[in-house]
Amino acid sequence: AQKVTQTQTSISVMEKTTVTMDCVYETQDSSYFLFWYKQTASGEIVFLIRQDSYKKENATVGHYSLNFQKPKSSIGLIITATQIEDSAVYFCAMREDTNAYKVIFGKGTHLHVLP
Amino acid sequence: EAAVTQSPRNKVAVTGGKVTLSCNQTNNHNNMYWYRQDTGHGLRLIHYSYGAGSTEKGDIPDGYKASRPSQENFSLILELATPSQTSVYFCASGDHWGAYEQYFGPGTRLTVL
Repeated sequence: AQKVTQTQTSISVMEKTTVTMDCVYETQDSSYFLFWYKQTASGEIVFLIRQDSYKKENATVGHYSLNFQKPKSSIGLIITATQIEDSAVYFCAMREDTNAYKVIFGKGTHLHVLP
Repeated sequence: EAAVTQSPRNKVAVTGGKVTLSCNQTNNHNNMYWYRQDTGHGLRLIHYSYGAGSTEKGDIPDGYKASRPSQENFSLILELATPSQTSVYFCASGDHWGAYEQYFGPGTRLTVL
């Protein structure tokens, strides 16, 4: 069964530091895609970054990067040089190749970046 | 310009009433989705569609119907609204092929009294 788990409900960090948010997933598929989304205080949800299961290199976009550990079914989101505006809820999500229409989300991690 | 829009943005309904939430996308995506978001549950999939005329049940479809009359429009229908359906509802669109990401609308806050 498809499942995505984010165990950290809330994290607080100081501005300009690096933070890692954890996510573990369960899937029977050999091919799948992992996503991270950000939900701002206004409620807006935006896509941040994606990791394809067949790629060994960790994805990087701007100051977001991923720590993909396939044997552990883990996909961590790393934010470097955090800014106040990074304060938001971050969702991990997964889509299996055999079920192209369905995306499963984790429950989210609330990040607080402190000045 | 926003590519996924939802209407209304806020809605107060009475128990037993009919509610229709509308979603429009200009991304020309095949797939569209309806989620609800509740504290402690994240985003849960209600219905989805892979093209005009199609609707499929997601993980929590009970009490909801969906309609996809065109590529651009996807509606969520609560025939007999109940207080347990008070929530924030998000519509999203995504391409079918490849490792697509989803594009979300701004959400609709529904309160059923």
